[in-house]
Amino acid sequence: DTGVSQDPRHKITKRGQNVTFRCDPISEHNRLYWYRQTLGQGPEFLTYFQNEAQLEKSRLLSDRFSAERPKGSFSTLEIQRTEQGDSAMYLCASSLEQSADTQYFGPGTRLTVL
Amino acid sequence: GQNIDQPTEMTATEGAIVQINCTYQTSGFNGLFWYQQHAGEAPTFLSYNVLDGLEEKGRFSSFLSRSKGYSYLLLKELQMKDSASYLCASHSWGKFQFGAGTQVVVTP
Repeated sequence: DTGVSQDPRHKITKRGQNVTFRCDPISEHNRLYWYRQTLGQGPEFLTYFQNEAQLEKSRLLSDRFSAERPKGSFSTLEIQRTEQGDSAMYLCASSLEQSADTQYFGPGTRLTVL
Repeated sequence: GQNIDQPTEMTATEGAIVQINCTYQTSGFNGLFWYQQHAGEAPTFLSYNVLDGLEEKGRFSSFLSRSKGYSYLLLKELQMKDSASYLCASHSWGKFQFGAGTQVVVTP
């Protein structure tokens, strides 16, 4: 399977704990995006990378959220001191800038904060 | 700033045609994407418009008018499997802004 993969698929954690999610993009894609989606809403942009550079981070994102893409391949999204409001589906997508940035999404990580 | 508007829900009969409208206000607009999302699954790419006009891909067509900030997705010969949420997304300087999605319900 050469699509976007995410791990884990589901995560249940207690409030105050830290969680980390991983995304492996399509191998030749140079752009990688993180989104958050809640029920009945469209994906909400969090941040994106071009190769290893983080180009933009949403102003809605608190300092508890951080993302890395150290070698320009896989990426991690960490949420520190989780809150119940962080419960959502976290989606990763990748694209090739030269192909009109058409995004291909991974299956997502569903986070539940108790 | 960016703002995307699309209807919340539409219902249509199997075999019929449905048109989902989307209006956007996007600075630095680069293009308009449509995605399909089934419940509990990730969005999948349907179509992309950067120039004015109609793009046809099988049963799905998408239209764009840049001057009006308007797009629509046309679903023809509706099938039960087309019941899903359809997301409109504007592309601007590498970023995507998604609408809340239009839930299409196909009835027998």
